[in-house]
Amino acid sequence: QKEVEQNSGPLSVPEGAIASLNCTYSDRGSQSFFWYRQYSGKSPELIMFIYSNGDKEDGRFTAQLNKASQYVSLLIRDSQPSDSATYLCAIIRDDKIIFGKGTRLHILP
Amino acid sequence: GAGVSQSPSNKVTEKGKDVELRCDPISGHTALYWYRQSLGQGLEFLIYFQGNSAPDKSGLPSDRFSAERTGGSVSTLTIQRTQQEDSAVYLCASSLVGGRMDTQYFGPGTRLTVL
Repeated sequence: QKEVEQNSGPLSVPEGAIASLNCTYSDRGSQSFFWYRQYSGKSPELIMFIYSNGDKEDGRFTAQLNKASQYVSLLIRDSQPSDSATYLCAIIRDDKIIFGKGTRLHILP
Repeated sequence: GAGVSQSPSNKVTEKGKDVELRCDPISGHTALYWYRQSLGQGLEFLIYFQGNSAPDKSGLPSDRFSAERTGGSVSTLTIQRTQQEDSAVYLCASSLVGGRMDTQYFGPGTRLTVL
C-alpha cells in the first residue's frame, strides 16, 4: 500500500459546484497534512494545511481530517475554471514530507 | 526578497554527462529540500537539509546523485553519468525551520532532459 493515495482523475466538476478531493494515508503516525495546487508546467503552491481532526476553512477551501479513518479531503466551493489544476496531498512523517501523485481537477465552464 | 530560485530553468544533456542544478532558497530559511517530478507523476523526495545537521539523503535514487549546501544557503544537486531515466523536473523548496509543521515554498524547477 502506498503511503499517500489519491485518485488520479481527471475529476470533472461543473463551474459553481463543489469539488471534493480525497486522500488516504497508511501511517497512523502521520501528524501534518497539506494540500498543494499545481498548475500544468508550474511548481506546487500550498493551499491548506491541517493538523487536527475536523474541518478547517479558508475562503472557498475546506480541509477535512479524519485520523481514525486515515483520510484527508479538500472541498472547493463555488468552483471556478481557475481551480482547474492538479491537487497534491502531502503528509509529514518523521519530519519528511511525502506527496501523493495528485488528482487532476477540471472545472467545466 | 523573492521566492526560491533555481537555475538553469532548462537543461538538455547527453547520456553519461554530469549536470549541476542550483537552488537559492528564501533568505532566512534554514530548511531546504530537493524533489524530482517525472511527467504525470507526484513528487519524489530526494534530500533534505536542515541547518547544520547532516542531510537526510534517504531519497537519493542512486550514488550518482549528490547534493551539498554551502554556508547554509545555496544548494547544488549533482547528477553524475546521467541516464535517460533521470529526465524529470527537479524542484527545490525551502522552509523557515523545517519539520512537521512548516510550510514549504517551491522554486520554479529545473527541467532536465537526458538524450
